[in-house]
Amino acid sequence: DTGVSQDPRHKITKRGQNVTFRCDPISEHNRLYWYRQTLGQGPEFLTYFQNEAQLEKSRLLSDRFSAERPKGSFSTLEIQRTEQGDSAMYLCASSPWTSAKDEQFFGPGTRLTVL
Amino acid sequence: AQSVAQPEDQVNVAEGNPLTVKCTYSVSGNPYLFWYVQYPNRGLQFLLKYITGDNLVKGSYGFEAEFNKSQTSFHLKKPSALVSDSALYFCAGLGRNYGQNFVFGPGTRLSVLP
Repeated sequence: DTGVSQDPRHKITKRGQNVTFRCDPISEHNRLYWYRQTLGQGPEFLTYFQNEAQLEKSRLLSDRFSAERPKGSFSTLEIQRTEQGDSAMYLCASSPWTSAKDEQFFGPGTRLTVL
Repeated sequence: AQSVAQPEDQVNVAEGNPLTVKCTYSVSGNPYLFWYVQYPNRGLQFLLKYITGDNLVKGSYGFEAEFNKSQTSFHLKKPSALVSDSALYFCAGLGRNYGQNFVFGPGTRLSVLP
């Protein structure tokens, strides 16, 4: 499967713990996006990368959240000192183009449950 | 602020009948508008988009959508529904001055009954 992959698919953690998610985009895709989706809602934009540069962050992305894409390929999203409100599906998407008006290819998501 | 609304949580339609999934937007200027579909345990898949030009946009799997600026709507349509169209549909918008901050609607669950 050459689509966007995310690891792990499910993560259960205790409040206050740190978690890290990984996203592997489709090969040679320049753009990589992170979204958060809660039950009954559409995805909410968190941040995006153009190659290795993080170019935009949503106000939803608090100081406890950090994302990296060190070599312009895979990306990680870390949440420090998790809170129960962080429980959600975290989606990654990539795009081969360099414009906002082009389609994105989504991964299956990582479901985070904070106890 | 920009927003996208999908006024129906659930749409039921009989197989073979036409279907419509509604979307309205509040995005400044001329927006980019998208439809994505989500099947169980699968990532969101792109269906179609409106950028500029013809108001009627055709997309994957026989779906189409009509951009209506006066009604600020971008409804998704298909002339003849299939049971396999049953899924969760998301409308998304992006204002041209809002960077990459896509806004998704809450989703509409489409059930096509055999």
